[in-house]
Amino acid sequence: SQKIEQNSEALNIQEGKTATLTCNYTNYSPAYLQWYRQDPGRGPVFLLLIRENEKEKRKERLKVTFDTTLKQSLFHITASQPADSATYLCALHSGGYQKVTFGTGTKLQVIP
Amino acid sequence: EADIYQTPRYLVIGTGKKITLECSQTMGHDKMYWYQQDPGMELHLIHYSYGVNSTEKGDLSSESTVSRIRTEHFPLTLESARPSHTSQYLCASSGGAGEKTNEQFFGPGTRLTVL
Repeated sequence: SQKIEQNSEALNIQEGKTATLTCNYTNYSPAYLQWYRQDPGRGPVFLLLIRENEKEKRKERLKVTFDTTLKQSLFHITASQPADSATYLCALHSGGYQKVTFGTGTKLQVIP
Repeated sequence: EADIYQTPRYLVIGTGKKITLECSQTMGHDKMYWYQQDPGMELHLIHYSYGVNSTEKGDLSSESTVSRIRTEHFPLTLESARPSHTSQYLCASSGGAGEKTNEQFFGPGTRLTVL
């Protein structure tokens, strides 16, 4: 069955460092991979989308890589700030009228 | 700020009551979704719709039902609420052109407590 895995343990990093979050998947051939941010008690907010034929995407301090051979995406936040503390979800989509499938999320804590 | 609204934001209700959670979006999106999420846990898709008069069950079995009579409106109904239905319910929509068609916009959620 399709499976999306993100680090279940929280990631704690020092302010100013680069945070790297991992998303691994199995039994899936996604056309797109998305990353969302979720704050406690609120709905997720879309951050970035990367297509299967793209290796890397950047947006301000965010960078996403997508390796379809390894079946893995890495999400980087450079120069991290306490305001970046949140849960980050990856989501896969196979294209067309297929629904998006979300991972379990990784909680990031940036320590001042 | 996404133009997707959910009411009520919080609801405390007794067992056996019928409830409807409202979700509306003003973005003209054709796709809408309902997710269930317990605190600190993953999102579970319970219903989705790809347009008017189209509804499908999601990955997580749910005793709720949905309807899509208008593009902008996607209400979720529980005929008889039980304590096991206590959770946060998140509505989302997606649309637009190209790869943006699958970017999901989420509402603020309804936190339901069934006593």
